[in-house]
Amino acid sequence: AQSVTQLGSHVSVSEGALVLLRCNYSSSVPPYLFWYVQYPNQGLQLLLKYTSAATLVKGINGFEAEFKKSETSFHLTKPSAHMSDAAEYFCAVSDLPDEKLTFGTGTRLTIIP
Amino acid sequence: DTGVSQNPRHKITKRGQNVTFRCDPISEHNRLYWYRQTLGQGPEFLTYFQNEAQLEKSRLLSDRFSAERPKGSFSTLEIQRTEQGDSAMYLCASSLAAVETQYFGPGTRLLVL
Repeated sequence: AQSVTQLGSHVSVSEGALVLLRCNYSSSVPPYLFWYVQYPNQGLQLLLKYTSAATLVKGINGFEAEFKKSETSFHLTKPSAHMSDAAEYFCAVSDLPDEKLTFGTGTRLTIIP
Repeated sequence: DTGVSQNPRHKITKRGQNVTFRCDPISEHNRLYWYRQTLGQGPEFLTYFQNEAQLEKSRLLSDRFSAERPKGSFSTLEIQRTEQGDSAMYLCASSLAAVETQYFGPGTRLLVL
């Protein structure tokens, strides 16, 4: 069975600083990996996804993530944080493209002015 | 494309009452998923449909929970004899079969008193 571990339930960065949110996965087959963002009292919005094409994936709002099979990681980064990036971020994995998603526990990102 | 919609957005009920939530997926999407999210946690898979067929149910889905998608369009999730532990955000998502992106609705927040 697949699983996801997100290190750091809370991350704070200064506006303009690098954002790094960590995600490690466990899967018995080549995984499909996703990052979703959730703003307060809203549903989840897809930021980006890895589907066995390029290992460096670019998403919306300037975010990107790199799939590293040897490290079983899919960390999310953004070069320069903006106040509007403050939200909860979830990493998710599935074994097949249209199967159920298994989510991590989330990382709450706070941006310091 | 009007997105995934869920109704009601909020529901407060007393313990022991029955509640029903509705999800309207994106119109051409044949897969529909239900997830539950408790405070401070990532969404957890409950069940999913392809057209009107319910393909998988999580062990989280006790006998008090039932989901339907009678005409392969909208879906309902009913909880009978609600308990305080049922308090959560119930999220619906939809996708096309064999396509990996799930689109989430805004959720229904349930509070059981």
